[in-house]
Amino acid sequence: DTGVSQDPRHKITKRGQNVTFRCDPISEHNRLYWYRQTLGQGPEFLTYFQNEAQLEKSRLLSDRFSAERPKGSFSTLEIQRTEQGDSAMYLCASSPDGQQPQHFGDGTRLSIL
Amino acid sequence: QQPVQSPQAVILREGEDAVINCSSSKALYSVHWYRQKHGEAPVFLMILLKGGEQKGHEKISASFNEKKQQSSLYLTASQLSYSGTYFCGTDDYGQNFVFGPGTRLSVLP
Repeated sequence: DTGVSQDPRHKITKRGQNVTFRCDPISEHNRLYWYRQTLGQGPEFLTYFQNEAQLEKSRLLSDRFSAERPKGSFSTLEIQRTEQGDSAMYLCASSPDGQQPQHFGDGTRLSIL
Repeated sequence: QQPVQSPQAVILREGEDAVINCSSSKALYSVHWYRQKHGEAPVFLMILLKGGEQKGHEKISASFNEKKQQSSLYLTASQLSYSGTYFCGTDDYGQNFVFGPGTRLSVLP
């Protein structure tokens, strides 16, 4: 069990650029979650997958955000036309199902210049 | 809708006890508790399912009052390693999973 892996750990980009993050969950975990966390706040739910199906997406998430989990294994989160307000830590978590503990990765810290 | 946590912050001396509360306006199926240290990812502590059960892990335990949609986390004889921010996460019957704003706990020697 290698844990949840996220890549990259840090991303610095200019406003208006597109960025993509990757998350590799614990193998055989069917659920995969994406969260956004800013300093001093709790993780904010973005979306989650049950295998390859995206079952829920936060209403707070704009159309610039998209996530995929094409084969039910790893997942990618893309942000298009980044804005200053997108600067945050993006966390990925996985669990066997919805009532099991979520195991978090170390996150990707995004900084928009 | 985000659950409410109280207190927002608490400072303890080593060996003292603390209680952190989490409440929701929605009917809950389960409550999760996580601890996050500065610069690290949240770490799972425990899950409580509906039924008013109480769980414990060493000196950390929690209860869940389904009727009141409230959960409390109890930390007894606190240790320095307990310092961090504690988040509750609530599941309203599979519709949404939402984390609270967190309670910052500082344990001093």
